[in-house]
Amino acid sequence: EADIYQTPRYLVIGTGKKITLECSQTMGHDKMYWYQQDPGMELHLIHYSYGVNSTEKGDLSSESTVSRIRTEHFPLTLESARPSHTSQYLCASELAGANTGELFFGEGSRLTVL
Amino acid sequence: AQSVTQLGSHVSVSEGALVLLRCNYSSSVPPYLFWYVQYPNQGLQLLLKYTSAATLVKGINGFEAEFKKSETSFHLTKPSAHMSDAAEYFCAVRLGGSQGNLIFGKGTKLSVKP
Repeated sequence: EADIYQTPRYLVIGTGKKITLECSQTMGHDKMYWYQQDPGMELHLIHYSYGVNSTEKGDLSSESTVSRIRTEHFPLTLESARPSHTSQYLCASELAGANTGELFFGEGSRLTVL
Repeated sequence: AQSVTQLGSHVSVSEGALVLLRCNYSSSVPPYLFWYVQYPNQGLQLLLKYTSAATLVKGINGFEAEFKKSETSFHLTKPSAHMSDAAEYFCAVRLGGSQGNLIFGKGTKLSVKP
């Protein structure tokens, strides 16, 4: 069973609030990812990281930011949430160099911005 | 550019019937291909993967997929559906060889009728 955790699972907030979605993994994986998932749409990669102090933007432009100060932790922050940010956010991790294609996903954080 | 197309956003089968979920890819280089499954309110988990070894790939829970280069397809099948197979299934292709990022299709929701 994968050991990757996301909090909160569900969040309803008002426009303009700052939010941080937490993602932690205990597998020692170097690579971590954030995907945005909307019904009937592809999962879109918004951020990824190869390891500590590494962050890259994905193929979908996002107003969110990420940090990677510790291997196990990859939080995503929205400085000023808007209704267009309403979505499900999935965090995933992968052992670098494993060449398996197996990403381990958290259960997701469903964000609703009013 | 690499991408995946999943034909049919929703497939419904009777319990015990054949499951066939379609995936076509476009890739300028030999692809790495994957199927992931997402059960309600959970993250994605790997079902199976093709990485240029055997063209018929067996995965978990009785699923298998066949890589057909001439048809650029990687369809997912299971001989006999079970109620517990009801979930959303995502086909994915790996960019940039074995270390690239995953690109996901839009997903196919499988319903299983008793």
